[in-house]
This record gives sequence, C-alpha cells and structure tokens, in this order.
Amino acid sequence: DQQVKQNSPSLSVQEGRISILNCDYTNSMFDYFLWYKKYPAEGPTFLISISSIKDKNEDGRFTVFLNKSAKHLSLHIVPSQPGDSAVYFCAAIDFNAGNMLTFGGGTRLMVKP
Amino acid sequence: DVKVTQSSRYLVKRTGEKVFLECVQDMDHENMFWYRQDPGLGLRLIYFSYDVKMKEKGDIPEGYSVSREKKERFSLILESASTNQTSMYLCASSLGRVHRGAGTEAFFGQGTRLTVV
Repeated sequence: DQQVKQNSPSLSVQEGRISILNCDYTNSMFDYFLWYKKYPAEGPTFLISISSIKDKNEDGRFTVFLNKSAKHLSLHIVPSQPGDSAVYFCAAIDFNAGNMLTFGGGTRLMVKP
Repeated sequence: DVKVTQSSRYLVKRTGEKVFLECVQDMDHENMFWYRQDPGLGLRLIYFSYDVKMKEKGDIPEGYSVSREKKERFSLILESASTNQTSMYLCASSLGRVHRGAGTEAFFGQGTRLTVV
C-alpha cells in the first residue's frame, strides 16, 4: 500500500497563473517532507522541503504547505513559467526508520505559454 | 555541488544476463540508495546502504543485489535480468543517519535507462 500518494497524474496551467500540486500520506510517523522536480532523461532535483513541526515553507516562487491533521501537503508555484513543466514528486522521511525517502507517484505539470 | 554519477545513461541487455549498474558520489555522503522509476508508480526503493559493506533491503529487492566496498561507490546488480526489470534506475546519496531536517535531502544521479530484451 502506497504511503505517499499523488492523486493527480497531470496538471495543466497557463503561464503566469498559480500551480497547485497535492500530496497525501498515510504514515503519521513521517517527520520531513520534500518536493522534487524531474525532467525527462534526468535525475530528480530537490526543490523545497518542510519539517512536520511547520505548516509553511517558502522559497522564491515555491511554497509548500503542510496540514498534519489531514496528512496532506501541497506545493504552490506562483507565477508558473513554461520552464516549470516537469514531473513533480512528493517524498517523505521517517527519521526513526532511517533517512530513505518514500515517494509518491508523481504529477506531470504542463505550463502553457 | 554534490555530484552523483551513474556509469551509463542507456543500457540494453538480454534476458538472463548479469547486469552491473555503477554509481559514484563525491560528497563523502554516508547514505546511498538505488531506486527504480516506473510510470504511475513513482520512485520505489530497491536497496540502500548506510555505510561501507552495509546494505538494507528496500521495498522491492527481489531480483537485485548491491555492493558497497567503498564509501563513494554503490553498485546495483541484476543477477539474471528479466524483461520486468526494464526501467529507469536512479542512484542517490545523502548525509548520514544522525542528520535530521534540513540538509537530509538526497541528491540523484542522471539515471540509467535499462532495457531488457
């Protein structure tokens, strides 16, 4: 059973608008969450992270929100740019179980000019 | 910058062959990981290692083994390749287990697209 789920396989957004990517998790022991971005034929690159003791972390155009009671996190990209078109993966770590990342299935974001 | 290098970008192997995928990192990271990426399934952990000569099974270890003889190198071995092992293989590294929070993100190599025919 997948512990981290991204229920939207794809998302299409107009350039300049907000992109919202969602992620749900089931394991309440996760204490750190990350977002990765992946272009075709390349490895994932780290984007932004958030600790379970926070509810928001912002880095430039990227903001991650965490709702621990709902076991839900989201990545907001404002404004969206065509270069943001990629697959985005949500990941989680339970530090007591080791530092390995558990990933969601990914969401393909397409930003149209 | 952290660099994780995988020895091949593309590989084509025959069913039954023994396949070696090599990964090297240059940041003195203690943790190293092997994932495979398949459409709709995200990245699934095959094996990981916290230290030299140490290895732990991930979620899908069947049909694979690993070797970590040196801290910077982590090899994935397909003992007898099968067509269902056709996939994108991704190696990653990160700081050691004592680290928590910021800085624990994993850095990935460029991936190896393996096709087994």
